[in-house]
Amino acid sequence: NAGVTQTPKFQVLKTGQSMTLQCAQDMNHEYMSWYRQDPGMGLRLIHYSVGAGITDQGEVPNGYNVSRSTTEDFPLRLLSAAPSQTSVYFCASRQRGGRAVQYFGPGTRLLVL
Amino acid sequence: GEDVEQSLFLSVREGDSSVINCTYTDSSSTYLYWYKQEPGAGLQLLTYIFSNMDMKQDQRLTVLLNKKDKHLSLRIADTQTGDSAIYFCAESIGLTGGGNKLTFGTGTQLKVEL
Repeated sequence: NAGVTQTPKFQVLKTGQSMTLQCAQDMNHEYMSWYRQDPGMGLRLIHYSVGAGITDQGEVPNGYNVSRSTTEDFPLRLLSAAPSQTSVYFCASRQRGGRAVQYFGPGTRLLVL
Repeated sequence: GEDVEQSLFLSVREGDSSVINCTYTDSSSTYLYWYKQEPGAGLQLLTYIFSNMDMKQDQRLTVLLNKKDKHLSLRIADTQTGDSAIYFCAESIGLTGGGNKLTFGTGTQLKVEL
């Protein structure tokens, strides 16, 4: 198993540009999530999905869209990038259940100029 | 409400024990976790504890949970330079629509000096 994969690893955008961060998992996990990590703020939940076709907002959803058309993929879209979205983005997946281990991807480092 | 707090920095000498502390506010947490993040990498699960347990030991790691005070700690015995990383505690909280989400602390940067 490849686990959770993310592309790209690093991206530079200009303000106003759009892009999609890709996330895929091959563990047949129902739950997938997107977090952003900023210095001194830990990880904050952007959006999550409890299964194909179901998505919901986390703590900081503004400026981001998601969709979950398949179990494997959970892309994160930035519609109009802003400097405040400069961050490291982590995708994660896990099985249903409170004890389930959450697996993280390696992260995408995004710089918005 | 949900809020998880950690001290930002801890420095220890190689061979000493490290104790990383965490406080949380949501009493409905079912599981509490410790994750490790090495530079430039994602988060790796170290260990977890169920909320009805007081202690869990796993090789060099000891987790202590004081549910009354909502305090969680991670002790690393015989700390090595390879333990230098950021350590996150996280609590599992039920969601209104079903399922659970993890709320993470701010992370504690552990520096191990020779």
